[in-house]
Amino acid sequence: DAGVIQSPRHEVTEMGQEVTLRCKPISGHDYLFWYRQTMMRGLELLIYFNNNVPIDDSGMPEDRFSAKMPNASFSTLKIQPSEPRDSAVYFCASSFLGTGNTGELFFGEGSRLTVL
Amino acid sequence: AQRVTQPEKLLSVFKGAPVELKCNYSYSGSPELFWYVQYSRQRLQLLLRHISRESIKGFTADLNKGETSFHLKKPFAQEEDSAMYYCALTDTGRRALTFGSGTRLQVQP
Repeated sequence: DAGVIQSPRHEVTEMGQEVTLRCKPISGHDYLFWYRQTMMRGLELLIYFNNNVPIDDSGMPEDRFSAKMPNASFSTLKIQPSEPRDSAVYFCASSFLGTGNTGELFFGEGSRLTVL
Repeated sequence: AQRVTQPEKLLSVFKGAPVELKCNYSYSGSPELFWYVQYSRQRLQLLLRHISRESIKGFTADLNKGETSFHLKKPFAQEEDSAMYYCALTDTGRRALTFGSGTRLQVQP
């Protein structure tokens, strides 16, 4: 398994543009998480899904951010319109809840977003 | 609300010196505590979890509920330990992790 796959790895865009980040979780995992990493605030949970259903989106900064999970193998995080303060590394992670598993999260390589 | 505090942004030690990365948490229930590590150019990955009571790469961490701490320790640091370390917390009913702000460990030769 290639692990959690994120795209794009790097994105540079101008303020006001729409940004879409994509994530493919590990096959068989039933939880998917979106985190944002910045120097000042570290890793912040934005939203997470269980069986494609959003469970907690209280970390989504504002209405400009939205996330979807149309099926078990794909999720998107969209920012519209983007602002310079959205510049960060966005991580996707997945996990499964099974016997003996204590919820280890498996992270993707991250998408580095720069908004000019 | 649950919160994880890592007071040091950077910890620099020499090879062979002991290491202690501090982590304090606030949570009213029975938390599960983890340490995650991110080596240069690698993915964030699990290092160890408190319920396993294991030693990974020479690192150990003991959950002290009285002091609400989960400090990560290693008696003799190696250069390959240089990385970003995150302490994280969750509870049994919630699968998402709350992370601290991270501590960068630099092990100098």
